[in-house]
Amino acid sequence: AQSVTQLGSHVSVSEGALVLLRCNYSSSVPPYLFWYVQYPNQGLQLLLKYTTGATLVKGINGFEAEFKKSETSFHLTKPSAHMSDAAEYFCAVTRTGANNLFFGTGTRLTVIP
Amino acid sequence: GAGVSQSPSNKVTEKGKDVELRCDPISGHTALYWYRQSLGQGLEFLIYFQGNSAPDKSGLPSDRFSAERTGGSVSTLTIQRTQQEDSAVYLCASSPRLVAGGSDTQYFGPGTRLTVL
Repeated sequence: AQSVTQLGSHVSVSEGALVLLRCNYSSSVPPYLFWYVQYPNQGLQLLLKYTTGATLVKGINGFEAEFKKSETSFHLTKPSAHMSDAAEYFCAVTRTGANNLFFGTGTRLTVIP
Repeated sequence: GAGVSQSPSNKVTEKGKDVELRCDPISGHTALYWYRQSLGQGLEFLIYFQGNSAPDKSGLPSDRFSAERTGGSVSTLTIQRTQQEDSAVYLCASSPRLVAGGSDTQYFGPGTRLTVL
């Protein structure tokens, strides 16, 4: 079975501050891990994903995430928050042969000017 | 190029009515997925189509839900005898399914917001 836990349903940061959104996964096999962002009234857009290889993954808009197998984590970070980063962020996991993504419950990021 | 499109963007219906939601995937994508996003349940997988293979219906919550994909492209999700708990945003996604397995990126449409009164 696979599942994802996102700690913190709401996170607020000041503009220019570090963004850290936490994601822990559960998987009995090597996982594929994804971060998606959802802006109001829009669908989900892929930020980045980890499948194999380098454990530090860089995505769009300055975001990156590191796959840490020992900690079963895939936390999302960005060094300096912009107002445009305000959105809801979803971590998701799947595995080879799977037909769907398993999503976390999401973290709503607020950026304070 | 064009992304995944869904129609209608909003649908309000009365309890007990049937509704149809449409999804147009990205051209050339062989895999198509339906998810439901609701306040209480988050994002849940509903159904998956891949080429001409039998669909994976393991996520459909009841027999009131069904979906079809015609000609390997457009898909329709049908909910019969709608209930208030069906109120949610229904998201469609497609992927090229270039390799077997789950590492494909899924591209999502904007969703259909369904409200059952």
